[in-house]
Amino acid sequence: GAVVSQHPSRVICKSGTSVKIECRSLDFQATTMFWYRQFPKQSLMLMATSNEGSKATYEQGVEKDKFLINHASLTLSTLTVTSAHPEDSSFYICSASRASRGRGETQYFGPGTRLLVL
Amino acid sequence: AQSVSQHNHHVILSEAASLELGCNYSYGGTVNLFWYVQYPGQHLQLLLKYFSGDPLVKGIKGFEAEFIKSKFSFNLRKPSVQWSDTAEYFCAVEAYGGSQGNLIFGKGTKLSVKP
Repeated sequence: GAVVSQHPSRVICKSGTSVKIECRSLDFQATTMFWYRQFPKQSLMLMATSNEGSKATYEQGVEKDKFLINHASLTLSTLTVTSAHPEDSSFYICSASRASRGRGETQYFGPGTRLLVL
Repeated sequence: AQSVSQHNHHVILSEAASLELGCNYSYGGTVNLFWYVQYPGQHLQLLLKYFSGDPLVKGIKGFEAEFIKSKFSFNLRKPSVQWSDTAEYFCAVEAYGGSQGNLIFGKGTKLSVKP
């Protein structure tokens, strides 16, 4: 149990376009979903946390108008990179937790989405 | 700001060798500690976690980690590695207070086990 999927696994887009990445919890209800970004040879950096039905909480330095997060249901969260630029090229990973935003609950990670902006 | 450091970027071992991967964190308060593993081509999976109680935690696949509060460390160990342990290992800390519920990851240690 506790499987998280992401779609697409890889996307290439032109500069200025918007890209939507989906994160789904397949066999459990995810009260909280997290979005991370990983640069090559770097650690995962948390971008934002979202609870179902409420606005996402963004980490310092992450532009909320640039990275739109929608946690519409207990099994789906989407990250939309608006007006993407080459510097947005990265590996985006989501995770899901059964608990509301709090402590100690295991996060289950998706396989990641590789975004390349030309 | 809280941070997590993993001492080794890449560790190469032969099968049956013992493993210890270092992890130190900077945060003076209460923490939850995790080790995640990412096998080639796969997503992050939880190896083990520490919340409270016995500071020696046993996880899956024969891994264990010891929380030493005085050293702010949570090192991962395995007595005898196998080729199938080849993966990247990430230490993560969840700090109480402030942005509770958020994981702060180390940069990862790549483990290569030679058959």
